[in-house]
Amino acid sequence: QKEVEQDPGPLSVPEGAIVSLNCTYSNSAFQYFMWYRQYSRKGPELLMYTYSSGNKEDGRFTAQVDKSSKYISLFIRDSQPSDSATYLCAMRAPSGGGADGLTFGKGTHLIIQP
Amino acid sequence: DTEVTQTPKHLVMGMTNKKSLKCEQHMGHRAMYWYKQKAKKPPELMFVYSYEKLSINESVPSRFSPECPNSSLLNLHLHALQPEDSALYLCASSYPGVSHEQFFGPGTRLTVL
Repeated sequence: QKEVEQDPGPLSVPEGAIVSLNCTYSNSAFQYFMWYRQYSRKGPELLMYTYSSGNKEDGRFTAQVDKSSKYISLFIRDSQPSDSATYLCAMRAPSGGGADGLTFGKGTHLIIQP
Repeated sequence: DTEVTQTPKHLVMGMTNKKSLKCEQHMGHRAMYWYKQKAKKPPELMFVYSYEKLSINESVPSRFSPECPNSSLLNLHLHALQPEDSALYLCASSYPGVSHEQFFGPGTRLTVL
């Protein structure tokens, strides 16, 4: 079983729809949960991060973490064609203040149809 | 300046060549990372530098040799690569205690012939 599972899609929705993206994970040590957006042939861009469980909202984006189910979600409201990209979830465990790499999901390719 | 820059954007090399990838940031970050990303796959961690010292090496073959000459620069030296090493090589940086906020560069797309 992979550490982080994410449906690669593609997920195609009409403009203005609410988009739901999800990841599941198996490592209970993960405490930091991130969502990155990656446009074609570009580097990933950090959208949001959440520490432990709970919700976090930033504009049209809402991130949710349910540690009991090992399940995280990203919701995009009022989706726009410019939101079309690959969305990667990423996670890491606490590292005692040191630097540590991230464990990524495969990424979901999202297409917003005008 | 909130940007991580990488050069070159594209690189084509033969299996006997020696080349280097360069990454630069001026955000005061003291942790820098190399990731490898193959098509339609997630980024995979290769190396982590913290305060200019190599802190993590994810069992990467020795034909990849990282170097961190100062707090703003990170290099990846390449030698005797294989065609399967063709990928997008991503550099990232962060504050060492804030690894969950990693800023990525645009990547170098490497093709090994």
